[in-house]
Amino acid sequence: DQQVKQNSPSLSVQEGRISILNCDYTNSMFDYFLWYKKYPAEGPTFLISISSIKDKNEDGRFTVFLNKSAKHLSLHIVPSQPGDSAVYFCAASVSLNRYKLSFGAGTTVTVRA
Amino acid sequence: EAGVAQSPRYKIIEKRQSVAFWCNPISGHATLYWYQQILGQGPKLLIQFQNNGVVDDSQLPKDRFSAERLKGVDSTLKIQPAKLEDSAVYLCASSRGQVETQYFGPGTRLLVL
Repeated sequence: DQQVKQNSPSLSVQEGRISILNCDYTNSMFDYFLWYKKYPAEGPTFLISISSIKDKNEDGRFTVFLNKSAKHLSLHIVPSQPGDSAVYFCAASVSLNRYKLSFGAGTTVTVRA
Repeated sequence: EAGVAQSPRYKIIEKRQSVAFWCNPISGHATLYWYQQILGQGPKLLIQFQNNGVVDDSQLPKDRFSAERLKGVDSTLKIQPAKLEDSAVYLCASSRGQVETQYFGPGTRLLVL
């Protein structure tokens, strides 16, 4: 039962351009969303989060947008850099069980020089 | 600050054998998590500890998996006996509290033949 879906397994983008990663969820109880970034042979690292009371959260080159009616969120990386090449996981949780994260399958981003 | 440590990094065993993984969380982190990540999927929470007590083990296959966190610091996850479908990366994570950011270790890659 996959409650968080990342339908694009991979994304290739040129350095300096925008990367847009998408994530859909089915559980309407989810109200806290996170993005994690993972390099090969390392564990995932927290990137950015958003609560359902907001529709946008920005941190430097990373912006997450939340569309609650569509049960959809996206991560924008502007501008994309070679060091952004990694696997990005979308995750979601319910506030009452904030620790219990449901992860998507991940999107592999490759930034071309 | 040292990150989450895990060992071994890789393990190959035959089905029906036993295996154990070790995790040392970030110093001062009261909450510890074990995740299973099967190839092509996102991490799935197996068990969560708060200090040395179990908070949630609802997704732990208790007929073959066991975990403990003695003295509220290090933790071990054991599989006995292993099945082919247990082949996965086992990730340990820790956080200061249950609603805090989770920090992941590099994982142990298990292959069951």
